[in-house]
Amino acid sequence: DTAVSQTPKYLVTQMGNDKSIKCEQNLGHDTMYWYKQDSKKFLKIMFSYNNKELIINETVPNRFSPKSPDKAHLNLHINSLELGDSAVYFCASSQIQGFSYEQYFGPGTRLTVT
Amino acid sequence: SQKIEQNSEALNIQEGKTATLTCNYTNYSPAYLQWYRQDPGRGPVFLLLIRENEKEKRKERLKVTFDTTLKQSLFHITASQPADSATYLCALGSGGADGLTFGKGTHLIIQP
Repeated sequence: DTAVSQTPKYLVTQMGNDKSIKCEQNLGHDTMYWYKQDSKKFLKIMFSYNNKELIINETVPNRFSPKSPDKAHLNLHINSLELGDSAVYFCASSQIQGFSYEQYFGPGTRLTVT
Repeated sequence: SQKIEQNSEALNIQEGKTATLTCNYTNYSPAYLQWYRQDPGRGPVFLLLIRENEKEKRKERLKVTFDTTLKQSLFHITASQPADSATYLCALGSGGADGLTFGKGTHLIIQP
């Protein structure tokens, strides 16, 4: 069983388009995250979502917006895509109630903007 | 600003030896420190977590130390095997829901 899944695995699109990446976790965790890994392999937090509380990294453009229909899902919507948005996006989850902070990552979505 | 440095981008170790990876940080008072393994084309996989009040943690062939005075963690893999070859990421957390701050990682290569 896949703990954290993401779709699609690859996404190729043109500048200016709007796209979404879906994430689901079946671990019953209370917190979900989106990370961006750039071409230099540097992994950076974008958002975390816990019990309807959204924490946004201040460097993330407002073209990016997370949407959580329920506790098991945290989707990432990106408006007006730019070349610099090309990267691998990882979803992750953890159970921070109970002070268990290890994170479980999905397989990643490689976004290429042309 | 918060900064995490991991020693060298690549580390070559002979099979059977102990690999030691270093993580140094500045401008941060983490509640805990974690180590992850990442293979090409895959998401990071959690290995170990050590809290600010702990000095050392072990799990099978893995050992992590945490010195909050030096602001440094050491990650050891004993009896290293070629299958241990991967990128190892150090990450710091505050204890809240605000996600992890990662280092750039060390690419470990275990040569047979």
